[in-house]
Amino acid sequence: GAVVSQHPSWVICKSGTSVKIECRSLDFQATTMFWYRQFPKQSLMLMATSNEGSKATYEQGVEKDKFLINHASLTLSTLTVTSAHPEDSSFYICSARDPRGANTEAFFGQGTRLTVV
Amino acid sequence: EDKVVQSPLSLVVHEGDTVTLNCSYEVTNFRSLLWYKQEKKAPTFLFMLTSSGIEKKSGRLSSILDKKELFSILNITATQTGDSAVYLCAVFSGSARQLTFGSGTQLTVLP
Repeated sequence: GAVVSQHPSWVICKSGTSVKIECRSLDFQATTMFWYRQFPKQSLMLMATSNEGSKATYEQGVEKDKFLINHASLTLSTLTVTSAHPEDSSFYICSARDPRGANTEAFFGQGTRLTVV
Repeated sequence: EDKVVQSPLSLVVHEGDTVTLNCSYEVTNFRSLLWYKQEKKAPTFLFMLTSSGIEKKSGRLSSILDKKELFSILNITATQTGDSAVYLCAVFSGSARQLTFGSGTQLTVLP
């Protein structure tokens, strides 16, 4: 089946630094990928929709200058948390849909646990 | 605005019990409803439902969709401790072109 790979699975960084998270579709081309954030004991909150070759679409309340999304190829989207602060500590998950099928099942990456100290 | 509501928010049962998880939705241009199981990391796919009244089964898990009443249920029979997880319901709507997630149901199965 389709596989989405996310890297790194966990990262600790100092406050003020930037962190890049990668999301790759391994056996299909994803023109659209989605980035979610999940707080402890809460559901997934959609942050933005990443579109290959164009600007990402951000959800209301998500700072586009803080969470930079780049979808430079059909198999790779990146989320960069710029000037990270402790409140950015969270679980970030990407997902993608395989456009070859008629279904709308989303495949998820393994998630990235970000801790900002 | 698309909305997905799951109930109960949490559930504690003993091994061998049967549980029913609920998911109701209000979306524009419904396409499909999906169930996911989330343990420690990212959600894993369970079912996708697009048609009313057709039960999908996988082992002890089954799910059905009612498009008239706008809800779905996920049943787990003969629960095991390994079923302990958060179960997420998500709806894909044509208008939003993305998945809208419910808050999840935290299921705990005690030995």
